[in-house]
Amino acid sequence: DGGITQSPKYLFRKEGQNVTLSCEQNLNHDAMYWYRQDPGQGLRLIYYSQIVNDFQKGDIAEGYSVSREKKESFPLTVTSAQKNPTAFYLCASGDVNNSPLHFGNGTRLTVT
Amino acid sequence: AQSVSQHNHHVILSEAASLELGCNYSYGGTVNLFWYVQYPGQHLQLLLKYLSGDPLVKGIKGFEAEFIKSKFSFNLRKPSVQWSDTAEYFCAVKARGSASKIIFGSGTRLSIRP
Repeated sequence: DGGITQSPKYLFRKEGQNVTLSCEQNLNHDAMYWYRQDPGQGLRLIYYSQIVNDFQKGDIAEGYSVSREKKESFPLTVTSAQKNPTAFYLCASGDVNNSPLHFGNGTRLTVT
Repeated sequence: AQSVSQHNHHVILSEAASLELGCNYSYGGTVNLFWYVQYPGQHLQLLLKYLSGDPLVKGIKGFEAEFIKSKFSFNLRKPSVQWSDTAEYFCAVKARGSASKIIFGSGTRLSIRP
């Protein structure tokens, strides 16, 4: 089955630690996205990538970093510089022909 | 840069009532527009999309939306809601021809009273 896999489902970290969230897709999509979902704020775009080895900042990129070394993978690192990292993180992929986004099941990150 | 506004944060309706959820976007150029739905405990899925052509688009489960270019709007409608429509609804916009940046609104939570 084709789809997007985000792991882990729940993640707990201490303040001051960097943490990397995994996102893998086998849909052969060129574009991949990271969103953060907070109650009442919808989905806010963190980073997106149209092709391998290229990515752009979204609206709330500060305190986050990404890489796109392979088409299938788009890991997101939440750094210690992110002031409010506790949130639900969603990864998505799509092709460049305006087809709908496919979403993963999300990772809930809790930083204490 | 494009942005999306959904002014209704929480809508409560009785079964069989008609539904209209507002979505306004800001962007001066041509856009593609989407409505996504997130049922409790499930991941987001596409309800419908507007790419070009007929501004009235029909989606799954009896939903439809109308693109009104002059009003920068893409409101979601359903003539008669069911309890199973309880979910959160997100409008999204993508500027056509640009990098594949897709921006979502803040969402509208829909609660249906049985």
